[in-house]
Amino acid sequence: TQLLEQSPQFLSIQEGENLTVYCNSSSVFSSLQWYRQEPGEGPVLLVTVVTGGEVKKLKRLTFQFGDARKDSSLHITAAQPGDTGLYLCAGASSGTYKYIFGTGTRLKVLA
Amino acid sequence: DAGVIQSPRHEVTEMGQEVTLRCKPISGHNSLFWYRQTMMRGLELLIYFNNNVPIDDSGMPEDRFSAKMPNASFSTLKIQPSEPRDSAVYFCASTLGGNQYFGPGTRLLVL
Repeated sequence: TQLLEQSPQFLSIQEGENLTVYCNSSSVFSSLQWYRQEPGEGPVLLVTVVTGGEVKKLKRLTFQFGDARKDSSLHITAAQPGDTGLYLCAGASSGTYKYIFGTGTRLKVLA
Repeated sequence: DAGVIQSPRHEVTEMGQEVTLRCKPISGHNSLFWYRQTMMRGLELLIYFNNNVPIDDSGMPEDRFSAKMPNASFSTLKIQPSEPRDSAVYFCASTLGGNQYFGPGTRLLVL
């Protein structure tokens, strides 16, 4: 069974601080996605990474896919209250669009 | 584009009743996914369709759950009979080429 463990589970920080969220698995994924979910809404796709070692940037967010394609990280620079939400990673195996979702990191950024 | 549409947004029912959740995917998307989200188990894939055909239903909890996709613009998830442990938020997502777009979800409470 493929499992995606995210850490930390909860994170509360002050506005302006930096943070990193991790997504780890013992399985290899052909692609990995990161989502942000706000209360009462569905997850919204932030990024998809497909190549081992790949780094993608989305404004203050930096996403990295591990060289072995088993793990990923999300780094937020100078966090803002608008970054508050549940961050989910999701991995898919080769030849499928079936994504397995991680356990989630609940982030709260205080003004 | 209106995005993925789900109805109802909220459903409260009594144990033993039949529940039908509805989803209209984004026009042109060829895959549709049903997920269930709870605090304990996170976001779980129940079933997904490709070109209206069920591809993987291994996540469907038991025979009380069934899903159909009679055409490219409509899908249903039915629970009969419902039980309190089915209480959760049910999401539908559609995709074209791997990027999933989630609906706002249906919050189900079974008393």
